[in-house]
Amino acid sequence: DVKVTQSSRYLVKRTGEKVFLECVQDMDHENMFWYRQDPGLGLRLIYFSYDVKMKEKGDIPEGYSVSREKKERFSLILESASTNQTSMYLCASTPTGANTGELFFGEGSRLTVL
Amino acid sequence: QKEVEQNSGPLSVPEGAIASLNCTYSDRGSQSFFWYRQYSGKSPELIMFIYSNGDKEDGRFTAQLNKASQYVSLLIRDSQPSDSATYLCAVRYSGGYQKVTFGTGTKLQVIP
Repeated sequence: DVKVTQSSRYLVKRTGEKVFLECVQDMDHENMFWYRQDPGLGLRLIYFSYDVKMKEKGDIPEGYSVSREKKERFSLILESASTNQTSMYLCASTPTGANTGELFFGEGSRLTVL
Repeated sequence: QKEVEQNSGPLSVPEGAIASLNCTYSDRGSQSFFWYRQYSGKSPELIMFIYSNGDKEDGRFTAQLNKASQYVSLLIRDSQPSDSATYLCAVRYSGGYQKVTFGTGTKLQVIP
């Protein structure tokens, strides 16, 4: 089974803190994604990566950055956390190929910024 | 702005009935279409995907795609209380990378 592991299920941080959310997948997938999920807004794509050291902005990248130094690991960084970044963050991965598209999700990281 | 739209619901159906969930998308370049189910407090899980116009059946689930009208639907036959969840429509666009955009989801309640 594909396993996507997010390092923290629950985090509480203060405004202005730097926050790291880590995600590791064990199926050698090329593509990895960070989404945030908010009530009434669904899943919104923050950033994605299609290869090591490669990244692309999603729909809401402002206030976030990412790092992909190794194929299995994709990190989301909040340089200076703000209260409007309180959300559920979901990491996902998928392989590259003609008939792919299924996203395998981690369990999520619920971040509260005070 | 690529958009995927769903009625947020909740959609309530009695046990044993057919639940019909709908999704429209704005980009005609869309390539692949997915339905994910998300139970409260859990991550989304894929239940159906469809690439070609027409119907695709898998057990009690049928996905329907009409590219000319830009809509995709999910039918759940013989609905069970365990089907109560939020159903997310997702679209992957042709060209470029494996970017997948989600709708806001429809909450389904199956009443025993």
